[in-house]
Amino acid sequence: TQLLEQSPQFLSIQEGENLTVYCNSSSVFSSLQWYRQEPGEGPVLLVTVVTGGEVKKLKRLTFQFGDARKDSSLHITAAQPGDTGLYLCAGATGAGGTSYGKLTFGQGTILTVHP
Amino acid sequence: DAGVTQSPTHLIKTRGQHVTLRCSPISGHKSVSWYQQVLGQGPQFIFQYYEKEERGRGNFPDRFSARQFPNYSSELNVNALLLGDSALYLCASSVRLAGGPGDTQYFGPGTRLTVL
Repeated sequence: TQLLEQSPQFLSIQEGENLTVYCNSSSVFSSLQWYRQEPGEGPVLLVTVVTGGEVKKLKRLTFQFGDARKDSSLHITAAQPGDTGLYLCAGATGAGGTSYGKLTFGQGTILTVHP
Repeated sequence: DAGVTQSPTHLIKTRGQHVTLRCSPISGHKSVSWYQQVLGQGPQFIFQYYEKEERGRGNFPDRFSARQFPNYSSELNVNALLLGDSALYLCASSVRLAGGPGDTQYFGPGTRLTVL
């Protein structure tokens, strides 16, 4: 069974602080995606990382995929209240088996940024 | 362009009843996946359908079934509802069979099912 351990589960910080969310697994994923989810809504895709060691930047957000494609991190610089939400990492399963196409999600990180 | 749409938005059922949830993928997307998200947890994979065939199944009982229609829309059916089936049910679509690098899945807003 593939598992993604996401940490921390809760994060409460002040506006302007930096933070990092981690996503770790013992399994290799063909790609890894980060989503942000608002209450009562579906997850919204932030980024997809595919290559081991890949780093992608989206304004103040930096995403990194581990060299072995088993872990990833999300770093937010100078957090703002608008960054508040549930952040989810999800690993995609590659070809073969009955779980092809399955996204395995971490349990999520609830981020609260206080003004 | 319209994103993934799901109906209904909210649904209240009682134990033992049956429910049908519907999903329309993004235009041009041929794959639809279903996920269950219990409050406080990440989504759990239920099914993936591509070209009207089941291509992936998660660890859910046979009470859960789904199908995909020629227009690529999909239905998720749950029989003999249990209290534990209360959750947000998410539908995601992708251009092709998701799983390879770059086969990004885009999620709909979900259907909130409450079982009393």
